[in-house]
Amino acid sequence: AQKITQTQPGMFVQEKEAVTLDCTYDTSDQSYGLFWYKQPSSGEMIFLIYQGSYDEQNATEGRYSLNFQKARKSANLVISASQLGDSAMYFCAMREGTNNNDMRFGAGTRLTVKP
Amino acid sequence: DSGVTQTPKHLITATGQRVTLRCSPRSGDLSVYWYQQSLDQGLQFLIQYYNGEERAKGNILERFSAQQFPDLHSELNLSSLELGDSALYFCASSVGGGTGSGYEQYFGPGTRLTVT
Repeated sequence: AQKITQTQPGMFVQEKEAVTLDCTYDTSDQSYGLFWYKQPSSGEMIFLIYQGSYDEQNATEGRYSLNFQKARKSANLVISASQLGDSAMYFCAMREGTNNNDMRFGAGTRLTVKP
Repeated sequence: DSGVTQTPKHLITATGQRVTLRCSPRSGDLSVYWYQQSLDQGLQFLIQYYNGEERAKGNILERFSAQQFPDLHSELNLSSLELGDSALYFCASSVGGGTGSGYEQYFGPGTRLTVT
């Protein structure tokens, strides 16, 4: 079964507008971490934002915020004031608190920012 | 620049051969992770080392092996290479090995392996 689901293979957004990239996850652990990464066309993976399962506040990092809805098991990434440089693949990932300890990634969403 | 270095950047080799990919983690990070990214499989976790010890194992083939040395750099060895092993191999590092804040992983630039 998929642990991380990103249902949007591709998204378009107008420059300066906000966009939400969806992510749902599946776990029976109480302790887990959720991460978002950006992969531009150059290939590197860039860490964006982290949300812990026990964090009561939604994480924010500059223009990035994470809309964490624990009961729904969703961890959507919100990018405000989109810029052309935001065009990239975005991956949602989860790390569970069990001994397994590996990081599971979703299939990714390709975001294109239009001028 | 994440502070994680990987060499080589590109590698082209033939089926049946063996290659070694090298990774140096960020200064102060004790955990090293290896991932494989291919078009059909996406980003797959292979293996994690923490301070020289294997901590977690993912979808790593028996033909693949890794180790982390006392200076914390890591090597991923791929042997009896097949066409399907062509992929981008990432190394990542983190301070610790858990799930909490501060344990985000920082990725290196990757090694693109092409098996012909």
